[in-house]
Amino acid sequence: GAVVSQHPSWVICKSGTSVKIECRSLDFQATTMFWYRQFPKQSLMLMATSNEGSKATYEQGVEKDKFLINHASLTLSTLTVTSAHPEDSSFYICSAQGSTYEQYFGPGTRLTVT
Amino acid sequence: EDKVVQSPLSLVVHEGDTVTLNCSYEVTNFRSLLWYKQEKKAPTFLFMLTSSGIEKKSGRLSSILDKKELFSILNITATQTGDSAIYLCAVPFMDSNYQLIWGAGTKLIIKP
Repeated sequence: GAVVSQHPSWVICKSGTSVKIECRSLDFQATTMFWYRQFPKQSLMLMATSNEGSKATYEQGVEKDKFLINHASLTLSTLTVTSAHPEDSSFYICSAQGSTYEQYFGPGTRLTVT
Repeated sequence: EDKVVQSPLSLVVHEGDTVTLNCSYEVTNFRSLLWYKQEKKAPTFLFMLTSSGIEKKSGRLSSILDKKELFSILNITATQTGDSAIYLCAVPFMDSNYQLIWGAGTKLIIKP
């Protein structure tokens, strides 16, 4: 149980385009999902907290107009990187919160912007 | 200030050895502590601990929580090269969203 999927697992896009990453909780409902970013050899950095049916809460320094988050259902949250630039290249990971506040992580999406 | 501290930061042992990883915490309204294993991709959930003194076990991995002394340990017996990873400890912060406060992680390297 407690499986979280992400799609796609790897995406390469051109500078200036937008990319959407999906995060799904496959066998449980998640009122809250989290989006993280991880640079090589660094720890997870929380970008935003996504609550179903409401606006996401962004961490300080994260541009909400650049990283659009939608949590339209209890099993799906999406992160759209708008007008991507090479500095947005990173490993993006989502997690879904279980009933007792534990988080289950998706496998991550590697974004490369050329 | 709420914090989670792991030690050691890095550990190198030989296959077959037993290792103990430490996690101490100072978190307001503590409710649970989580252990994760991170290899090349995203963290994999290992254990959630809520009660003191009750060991959780999964194969060669086990973990226990001491709520009086505010720490947890993760034990790995008969280590294998596949146990090489970063082990992360985290505590949900009891704000409205229960975000995780992460330790820095212990990088474990198992030599054959």
